Amino acid sequence: DTGVSQDPRHKITKRGQNVTFRCDPISEHNRLYWYRQTLGQGPEFLTYFQNEAQLEKSRLLSDRFSAERPKGSFSTLEIQRTEQGDSAMYLCASSRPDRGGYGYTFGSGTRLTVV
Amino acid sequence: QQQVKQSPQSLIVQKGGISIINCAYENTAFDYFPWYQQFPGKGPALLIAIRPDVSEKKEGRFTISFNKSAKQFSLHIMDSQPGDSATYFCAASRAGGSYIPTFGRGTSLIVHP
Repeated sequence: DTGVSQDPRHKITKRGQNVTFRCDPISEHNRLYWYRQTLGQGPEFLTYFQNEAQLEKSRLLSDRFSAERPKGSFSTLEIQRTEQGDSAMYLCASSRPDRGGYGYTFGSGTRLTVV
Repeated sequence: QQQVKQSPQSLIVQKGGISIINCAYENTAFDYFPWYQQFPGKGPALLIAIRPDVSEKKEGRFTISFNKSAKQFSLHIMDSQPGDSATYFCAASRAGGSYIPTFGRGTSLIVHP
């Protein structure tokens, strides 16, 4: 168990380009969450998977955002036609249902800069 | 609408002092109140958590005080150390279900040696 892994750690992209981030959760965790964190703010929930099913989406997840977890293991978050306002840290977390908040583990995030 | 309000935004404490961070919540359905610690370049990590059936929980130098009637809770760091310098987030959620915590805006703590 090496924790929640996110790739890449940093991404700089030009406005209008598409970007994709990957999250590999802790192996026995069947729940996976995506958050966005901007400077001076706490993490804001984007979406949540249980196994491969996307069960909840925040209104922050605009039409330009899409997330997948095709085999119930790793997940990807894609942002299409990036805007400067998308610049943020994108965090992934995973958990087991029986552990509740105590098993909730964040990755180190992907920092996106849109220029 | 900010459901979890956290203060202060920043805090400077001398080594050995007590750091106190306060949070208030609005949703009475919340029944799980964790604190997270975040170092630069890292994701938040669970520090300590409390449920509303107790008024205080202590783990080492970290203590959560909880006031259900006032819908407030606070983190106390005793004997603060330079290694405690980090950003601290309070959060609130429902313990069951999908567990999606609502976070406060964070407090940047600096402990001077």
